[in-house]
Amino acid sequence: SAVISQKPSRDICQRGTSLTIQCQVDSQVTMMFWYRQQPGQSLTLIATANQGSEATYESGFVIDKFPISRPNLTFSTLTVSNMSPEDSSIYLCSAAGTGRADTQYFGPGTRLTVL
Amino acid sequence: GDSVTQMEGPVTLSEEAFLTINCTYTATGYPSLFWYVQYPGEGLQLLLKATKADDKGSNKGFEATYRKETTSFHLEKGSVQVSDSAVYFCALIPGANNLFFGTGTRLTVIP
Repeated sequence: SAVISQKPSRDICQRGTSLTIQCQVDSQVTMMFWYRQQPGQSLTLIATANQGSEATYESGFVIDKFPISRPNLTFSTLTVSNMSPEDSSIYLCSAAGTGRADTQYFGPGTRLTVL
Repeated sequence: GDSVTQMEGPVTLSEEAFLTINCTYTATGYPSLFWYVQYPGEGLQLLLKATKADDKGSNKGFEATYRKETTSFHLEKGSVQVSDSAVYFCALIPGANNLFFGTGTRLTVIP
């Protein structure tokens, strides 16, 4: 299994600013994912981040709003840009191998509140 | 499209009661199915999984059987404990590695 850490664990930000969330995996993984969990709701996939290529975004999410980096096989960042109160959510990263049914291991999440 | 429909919560049970949380899915092809659990204040953890029809996933006394004929993956436990109080998410991977989650079911077990 993989152990995943995220920083920061929580933050309170002002409208219009940006926050970068870091995700670190304790082993090399092929695929990393970023999810959003809005209050009282389920997880929604934002994008898939593979090392050496551009992130693939799901419908409703765009690179200008959620730029992602994946500089190596153990690390990724998600930036929430030009934040508004609607961006208040928990943001989670996960990691998996290449197998179709490979288990995704999740980080503890970053709780973001935008005022 | 691919989706998961999960039993609405919250669910409140007494300790040692029997638990069922219903989950049905819609997917093309043959998805892999998962149950994840989120304990209070913690991240998401894999509870169990099944990768093909009639497979039974099990862990920590929880079980779920992949039923292709009814497109279901219901979670069961014979005797719940207070420590099982958490939010449970049913999920599927239809083809690529994108996980689709259900809405989650909050379980509270009272002594």
